[in-house]
Amino acid sequence: EPEVTQTPSHQVTQMGQEVILRCVPISNHLYFYWYRQILGQKVEFLVSFYNNEISEKSEIFDDQFSVERPDGSNFTLKIRSTKLEDSAMYFCASSVQGAFRGQTQYFGPGTRLLVL
Amino acid sequence: DQQVKQNSPSLSVQEGRISILNCDYTNSMFDYFLWYKKYPAEGPTFLISISSIKDKNEDGRFTVFLNKSAKHLSLHIVPSQPGDSAVYFCAANNFNKFYFGSGTKLNVKP
Repeated sequence: EPEVTQTPSHQVTQMGQEVILRCVPISNHLYFYWYRQILGQKVEFLVSFYNNEISEKSEIFDDQFSVERPDGSNFTLKIRSTKLEDSAMYFCASSVQGAFRGQTQYFGPGTRLLVL
Repeated sequence: DQQVKQNSPSLSVQEGRISILNCDYTNSMFDYFLWYKKYPAEGPTFLISISSIKDKNEDGRFTVFLNKSAKHLSLHIVPSQPGDSAVYFCAANNFNKFYFGSGTKLNVKP
């Protein structure tokens, strides 16, 4: 069964460094999402992406965050200058149709980011 | 931002009985409501959704009920199985923007 994959599974970085989290969505999916979950807290929506542009973003997704689909398969989340509070599990998700229509959204296993 | 709330952090149920997971929301503009299940060290798995124009949706052992006047939804799992033990998240969307609750940890005892 096709699945969303994410790399790396864990990343440790120094505060102020740039990190790029990578995701390979399911191949025929058109909508892509990033979420994060700070340890012990709820899953938080960051951004949705469709047709090579941001569809919606949350208040968390400020100027230090960016997303890109550099080729036909990868979907990346870049954090330009990491802060301690960016430490979290980051989940990528994808869906065939917009999940805003109640369609199934498939999540990757997550990347655990630790900022020191 | 507390637009979606799950007030019960945990629930324990005997195998074979019904599990009822509750969720409240504040935004009457939400289009769809969704339930996800999450095991440790894995991403959430979509379970079931319901449109804001419906009041019930059923899929096998899972049924979601929506009470718009009370801004409340619930997920019923019957019969509950030990493999259902996980954290369950309620979510809602306003177009392509999603809001999650804090989760309820369900423990189904054999």
